[in-house]
Amino acid sequence: AQRVTQPEKLLSVFKGAPVELKCNYSYSGSPELFWYVQYSRQRLQLLLRHISRESIKGFTADLNKGETSFHLKKPFAQEEDSAMYYCALSGMDSSYKLIFGSGTRLLVRP
Amino acid sequence: DVKVTQSSRYLVKRTGEKVFLECVQDMDHENMFWYRQDPGLGLRLIYFSYDVKMKEKGDIPEGYSVSREKKERFSLILESASTNQTSMYLCASSQNQQYFGPGTRLTVT
Repeated sequence: AQRVTQPEKLLSVFKGAPVELKCNYSYSGSPELFWYVQYSRQRLQLLLRHISRESIKGFTADLNKGETSFHLKKPFAQEEDSAMYYCALSGMDSSYKLIFGSGTRLLVRP
Repeated sequence: DVKVTQSSRYLVKRTGEKVFLECVQDMDHENMFWYRQDPGLGLRLIYFSYDVKMKEKGDIPEGYSVSREKKERFSLILESASTNQTSMYLCASSQNQQYFGPGTRLTVT
């Protein structure tokens, strides 16, 4: 079955602490993996995707095919990182249909 | 800049009413999607459309239908609204990534 699992509903850290939001997936084939973010009162937006291999706002995510994981990391959390984060996967077809995880709320305390 | 707009930010309807949620995108995208967003469940795909007049069911299509008469517009229809359809509804369009609208918070009383 195709599935994205985010085991933590809430992750609370202090400003300056490292952050890791976990994402595991189940997919038969080679999916594309994404992280989406939703800040308070804003629309859902793409944060990063694994094929880009880039760092956005200090966040990085590495696709680990052996562990079927795509964890999101940042070495030093900032208060403005507080948001809802969703991991998602897409099959390698042209529809760009996404399967989302249940989301993790990140709260960065001052 | 890609723009996806939804007709209402907040909507309150009564049980049994027919409800229309409208979504418009301005980037000539072929693919459009409707999701509902619920706490603890993430986003779940209701329907998607990959061309005008073409549609496919997503994971939770029961109680919903859609219409895509023009490329830029994708409508979600609740034939007879029920209280368990109270939710946040998100529309998206995609080319090589999905772009989301601001959402419509629907309350069915």
